[in-house]
Amino acid sequence: DGGITQSPKYLFRKEGQNVTLSCEQNLNHDAMYWYRQDPGQGLRLIYYSQIVNDFQKGDIAEGYSVSREKKESFPLTVTSAQKNPTAFYLCASSIDEQRYGYTFGSGTRLTVV
Amino acid sequence: EDQVTQSPEALRLQEGESSSLNCSYTVSGLRGLFWYRQDPGKGPEFLFTLYSAGEEKEKERLKATLTKKESFLHITAPKPEDSATYLCAVQAYSNTGKLIFGQGTTLQVKP
Repeated sequence: DGGITQSPKYLFRKEGQNVTLSCEQNLNHDAMYWYRQDPGQGLRLIYYSQIVNDFQKGDIAEGYSVSREKKESFPLTVTSAQKNPTAFYLCASSIDEQRYGYTFGSGTRLTVV
Repeated sequence: EDQVTQSPEALRLQEGESSSLNCSYTVSGLRGLFWYRQDPGKGPEFLFTLYSAGEEKEKERLKATLTKKESFLHITAPKPEDSATYLCAVQAYSNTGKLIFGQGTTLQVKP
């Protein structure tokens, strides 16, 4: 079955550590996105990529980095510069978002310990 | 600034008690308005896209409508399995690369 796989489901980060969240899709979608979700707030866009080897900053890119070396993969690194990284991170992809919307992964819950 | 506000934040209904969720938006040129359903601990699931004022779309017990300033998600005779958080998002012509989401309405339907 086609879909988006995010891993791990739960991730714990120590202060000062960089961590990488994985996002893989086998839907042959061109565009991929990373959103952050905090309680009581809407999803906020971190980074997005509409084509391989190209990506743009979203509204809250500070302290995060991404790469898009393959169409199927869009990993997100949460760096030590991100001061409040505890959140639920969602990866999504789309081929025609108006007709079919985004397809979201099941999310990674990151907690700072 | 493009913005989406959903109300109420939370809604409790008895099974069979119909109601509506509201999504108010301000956007510089609406390309599309989207509704998603999100279950706890999972990613959102796409429900509808609405493109222009007056448009309506239906799926089972859900009907979404759109005006120039807001959208409503009407839930007719809800069942407990309709319990979820419903998210509204807009896409502007000026920035087709992203969706702007509201904070969501958490619906609980009691049997």
